[in-house]
Amino acid sequence: GAVVSQHPSRVICKSGTSVKIECRSLDFQATTMFWYRQFPKKSLMLMATSNEGSKATYEQGVEKDKFLINHASLTLSTLTVTSAHPEDSSFYICSARGQIAYEQYFGPGTRLTVT
Amino acid sequence: AQSVTQLDSQVPVFEEAPVELRCNYSSSVSVYLFWYVQYPNQGLQLLLKYLSGSTLVKGINGFEAEFNKSQTSFHLRKPSVHISDTAEYFCAVTLYSSASKIIFGSGTRLSIRP
Repeated sequence: GAVVSQHPSRVICKSGTSVKIECRSLDFQATTMFWYRQFPKKSLMLMATSNEGSKATYEQGVEKDKFLINHASLTLSTLTVTSAHPEDSSFYICSARGQIAYEQYFGPGTRLTVT
Repeated sequence: AQSVTQLDSQVPVFEEAPVELRCNYSSSVSVYLFWYVQYPNQGLQLLLKYLSGSTLVKGINGFEAEFNKSQTSFHLRKPSVHISDTAEYFCAVTLYSSASKIIFGSGTRLSIRP
């Protein structure tokens, strides 16, 4: 149980285009989902916290107009990188929290490359 | 505010040797403690967690960790490592709160030599 999927696993896009990444909790309802960004050989940086049906809470320094987060249902959250640039290239990981407050289940990650 | 420190960015170990990955945390309130493993180009997998009770926690893949409140440490150990243990290991904390975020350490790269 407690499986989180991400789609796509890899995406290459041209500079200036937008990319959507999906995060799904497959076998449980996720009241809260988190989006992280990981730079090469670095730790995870929390970008935002999203609760189903409400606006996401962004961490300081994260541009909310660039990284659009939607949590429309208890099993799906999406991250859209708008007008992507090469510096947005990174590994994006989502996690989902169910009924147990202290446990988060992580997705396999999405490798975004902007050319 | 809470913080997590992993002093060793890289730990090289020979196969079948024991290993300890160090983690220290700072918090003025009680926290839950975790160790996660990340294999190349993958997400994070929970190795083990400390919530309360016995300070020695056993996890998957033969790993264990010991919570030491006086030293604010939560070191990860394995008595005999395998090549397949090569990965990045993250120590993390979260507060006793439903809205709490997980705070990660900077990670330790464990590399196993044959």
